[in-house]
Amino acid sequence: KNEVEQSPQNLTAQEGEFITINCSYSVGISALHWLQQHPGGGIVSLFMLSSGKKKHGRLIATINIQEKHSSLHITASHPRDSAVYICAVFRMEYGNKLVFGAGTILRVKS
Amino acid sequence: DTGVSQNPRHKITKRGQNVTFRCDPISEHNRLYWYRQTLGQGPEFLTYFQNEAQLEKSRLLSDRFSAERPKGSFSTLEIQRTEQGDSAMYLCATGQGMNTEAFFGQGTRLTVV
Repeated sequence: KNEVEQSPQNLTAQEGEFITINCSYSVGISALHWLQQHPGGGIVSLFMLSSGKKKHGRLIATINIQEKHSSLHITASHPRDSAVYICAVFRMEYGNKLVFGAGTILRVKS
Repeated sequence: DTGVSQNPRHKITKRGQNVTFRCDPISEHNRLYWYRQTLGQGPEFLTYFQNEAQLEKSRLLSDRFSAERPKGSFSTLEIQRTEQGDSAMYLCATGQGMNTEAFFGQGTRLTVV
């Protein structure tokens, strides 16, 4: 079993829809990253959080440390949101190594 | 541009050849990670450095792989006697200390033919 599991693996939405991507992890963590990867490889950090909730524009990230679960929400989705969204955690053991989920491929249709 | 620079962006090599990739971190970042990503998968950890010390190396990394960060600044990842299975995107990420945001380079896409 992977230490970081994301769901769904693939997601297709209509423009304007509210989108939720989930991340569950099975190890002790000190923080969690949500990352966005566009075709061509570049990875951009969207959020880093260790508790509660963060919001940036149409993106909202939440984390529940007790339940070992985080969600990324996109409100009023747009075709330019189409990308791979990756959850990554800083593991408390092993010197806070970053461990990645497999990613969620999001396609937003107009 | 995140400030983390990787070179080259693309590399095509024949099986059996050696290749070397370079990562230049944001200057004050003391942590540097190397990851490998194949199509449809999330990045897999290869190794990481704190300053010039290599703190961990993944079991995924065979003896053909070696990484260095000689002065605690830029890092190189060398693959000797490349195999077709080495074809992947090699990503570098850097950060300043523990629990700080990681910044990623654009990656080096390796194709072994």
